[in-house]
Amino acid sequence: EAGVVQSPRYKIIEKKQPVAFWCNPISGHNTLYWYRQNLGQGPELLIRYENEEAVDDSQLPKDRFSAERLKGVDSTLKIQPAELGDSAVYLCASSAFGGQQNTGELFFGEGSRLTVL
Amino acid sequence: GESVGLHLPTLSVQEGDNSIINCAYSNSASDYFIWYKQESGKGPQFIIDIRSNMDKRQGQRVTVLLNKTVKHLSLQIAATQPGDSAVYFCAENNSSYKLIFGSGTRLLVRP
Repeated sequence: EAGVVQSPRYKIIEKKQPVAFWCNPISGHNTLYWYRQNLGQGPELLIRYENEEAVDDSQLPKDRFSAERLKGVDSTLKIQPAELGDSAVYLCASSAFGGQQNTGELFFGEGSRLTVL
Repeated sequence: GESVGLHLPTLSVQEGDNSIINCAYSNSASDYFIWYKQESGKGPQFIIDIRSNMDKRQGQRVTVLLNKTVKHLSLQIAATQPGDSAVYFCAENNSSYKLIFGSGTRLLVRP
């Protein structure tokens, strides 16, 4: 079974440019997460979806970041415009559980490494 | 605020020895804890979890210990192998269902 697939793996852009990341979760997983991981640090949650509903976007910088999960499957994360401080690895994860069933069984993709020049 | 931290940023062990990675958490309301392993260029991989009603849980070559009194979590890896070299994160989950990761410990296995 395929794991969580993310693209692109690497992206280099100049500041003020837009960028988008795509994630395809594990089939059947209704909960999808976007995390940001700065160098030498643990991942930090940006947004969590249950099906197509964003149930926790409190950590998403809404002035420049947006996300969507149309049809409750694939998701995209967009940054517009990008800033130098956005350089990080953007991780997507999915889980078969959500809501009342908190579980650590999050399956992560390999991430999209963004470098903003 | 909520925070999860690690005592040692880097741990170097001899192949075959046991490894112990420690983690402190600050949110006493957290009721679920997880250890993840992250190899270079990859996403974190679930290792083992433990709920707050338990003190110890064992997996294959790994054991997680939870001390709620001092809010401390540890991961023990038996007979450490070169393939165990990675960054290890502890994470806590409270009733808000938000997984909060610590900053990680890098485990280096010497041949």
